[in-house]
Amino acid sequence: NAGVTQTPKFQVLKTGQSMTLQCAQDMNHNSMYWYRQDPGMGLRLIYYSASEGTTDKGEVPNGYNVSRLNKREFSLRLESAAPSQTSVYFCASTDISQPSNYGYTFGSGTRLTVV
Amino acid sequence: AQKVTQAQTEISVVEKEDVTLDCVYETRDTTYYLFWYKQPPSGELVFLIRRNSFDEQNEISGRYSWNFQKSTSSFNFTITASQVVDSAVYFCALSEETDSWGKLQFGAGTQVVVTP
Repeated sequence: NAGVTQTPKFQVLKTGQSMTLQCAQDMNHNSMYWYRQDPGMGLRLIYYSASEGTTDKGEVPNGYNVSRLNKREFSLRLESAAPSQTSVYFCASTDISQPSNYGYTFGSGTRLTVV
Repeated sequence: AQKVTQAQTEISVVEKEDVTLDCVYETRDTTYYLFWYKQPPSGELVFLIRRNSFDEQNEISGRYSWNFQKSTSSFNFTITASQVVDSAVYFCALSEETDSWGKLQFGAGTQVVVTP
């Protein structure tokens, strides 16, 4: 099925460990995003990539890095995980060059726990 | 500053009752988009509707309806004759033209609980 695929779905890390969350979309979208969801706070933007080859910080970028590997893939890396990064992470994509079809497709989420 | 405000944290209703979710947004742009998403207990985000700032026509889709009023910066969502399957968290979100598009700003969400 076409859409946004995130891996892994669940992960438990120890404080200080590193990991990379993977995201891939097969809709030929230009733009990709990483959000985190915490209770009572909605979704907050971590990083985004408006187009292949570009990345920019969102609202809560500290402690994260991203790589837009190609048009399809956008990864999120935690270099040294902290308990404050316990959250549900969502990847999303859209094609902002097509306003009439403007909409976001979200992945199913990664539930990350840092102990 | 929070640009999308969903003042209702949780709404509990009995099946068949109507429920209205409030969303108030803040923007200086003349061109923007508003969205509603549903997040059921399974956790995925389900797209419900998109509205652009030039289209104030209200919309009805089955049991769902939306009331967009630019004069009050509100984009409210009503579920008519609620069902247990409507139990979910509902998010309102804003995307602004001057913010290079693409950056959805979410409200905190409203938890809807429908009991039989």
